[in-house]
Amino acid sequence: GAVVSQHPSWVICKSGTSVKIECRSLDFQATTMFWYRQFPKQSLMLMATSNEGSKATYEQGVEKDKFLINHASLTLSTLTVTSAHPEDSSFYICSARDGGAVHETQYFGPGTRLLVL
Amino acid sequence: RKEVEQDPGPFNVPEGATVAFNCTYSNSASQSFFWYRQDCRKEPKLLMSVYSSGNEDGRFTAQLNRASQYISLLIRDSKLSDSATYLCVVNMRYSSASKIIFGSGTRLSIRP
Repeated sequence: GAVVSQHPSWVICKSGTSVKIECRSLDFQATTMFWYRQFPKQSLMLMATSNEGSKATYEQGVEKDKFLINHASLTLSTLTVTSAHPEDSSFYICSARDGGAVHETQYFGPGTRLLVL
Repeated sequence: RKEVEQDPGPFNVPEGATVAFNCTYSNSASQSFFWYRQDCRKEPKLLMSVYSSGNEDGRFTAQLNRASQYISLLIRDSKLSDSATYLCVVNMRYSSASKIIFGSGTRLSIRP
């Protein structure tokens, strides 16, 4: 299957700092990428949909000024958690949709664990 | 009503048993359907797409019932390694766009 990478895999930071997470599709072009957050023992929650070359679409309750998304190319989307606080500690997962596949399958990155102290 | 609903489980079955999960969806215009598995503290991985005619991949069989708006996953001869959370995923079509919706997952635990 298609490969999606995420970097970094772990982040520990102090409260108030900003954290940037990269999501790359390695062997296909992804016009659409998705950013999810997952708290322990809970389901994936979609935060935003990122379309290459345009502004991201945020889900209700997700602050766009807090979670900055940039999708500058067909293989890279970034999520920046600005002024992170302990309640932002979570597992952040990106996925990329392979538009070339018949059923538009989503492939997930390995996730980034963020711990804000 | 949630757009995609799953029985959260947990399902606790002995090794070798057959287990089935159902997932219902609310949008009749939904286009494509998938089952993903997620291991603890890992990202979801695609298990199989679900086609209208039903499809089988080894011990796994997926079926789609559009009339009743549900999909199912059957696991035969379950292995210890099948223990995971199984996520039902539906690509729903709305007026001008489509949206991927995840179910909350069904936890499966296989015991020796």
